[in-house]
Amino acid sequence: KQEVTQIPAALSVPEGENLVLNCSFTDSAIYNLQWFRQDPGKGLTSLLLIQSSQREQTSGRLNASLDKSSGRSTLYIAASQPGDSATYLCAASTQGGSEKLVFGKGTKLTVNP
Amino acid sequence: GAVVSQHPSWVICKSGTSVKIECRSLDFQATTMFWYRQFPKKSLMLMATSNEGSKATYEQGVEKDKFLINHASLTLSTLTVTSAHPEDSSFYICSASGLRYEQYFGPGTRLTVT
Repeated sequence: KQEVTQIPAALSVPEGENLVLNCSFTDSAIYNLQWFRQDPGKGLTSLLLIQSSQREQTSGRLNASLDKSSGRSTLYIAASQPGDSATYLCAASTQGGSEKLVFGKGTKLTVNP
Repeated sequence: GAVVSQHPSWVICKSGTSVKIECRSLDFQATTMFWYRQFPKKSLMLMATSNEGSKATYEQGVEKDKFLINHASLTLSTLTVTSAHPEDSSFYICSASGLRYEQYFGPGTRLTVT
């Protein structure tokens, strides 16, 4: 059974700092891994999707990496801004196709001006 | 593109009543739709997976007779919480996936049962 863990549970940084959010998963037979952003009381916004054959994906100030062998993914946020404050969730898709996503509990990020 | 809507965004109902939540993919055809539930400070938990025109597949521990799912078309799925109780109060989120298997999430529905 796939389990996804995110560390830390909460993170507070000053504006402008670069930061890394960590995600680990127990079953390396994943199809893809996604990073999402969730604002309080809102749904999920997809940030990056990494296919199992890829090692990283980039979008603007965000870079996500995937290491299947070690069961880890990281989300790197460069030059953080107060608007980046949100909860970041990672989710692993463990079967082929549009199958189930297993979510971590998320990392609540606060970027202080 | 890839927009998913949910209606209503929030609902308050009395214990014992039923509530229907709609999930629509607005600009793509969703071969599969998923329903999740999220309790405060908890992870999203998958409740069920539905494919258009077939019965939903429920996760272990989710009562299929309590959470009725209908996926009548490639753009609409509904979740009906029957005989709701206060413990059903939660944030319900749907997602839809198309050909690329990437899931796109709706904005969620906050259900409060009094």
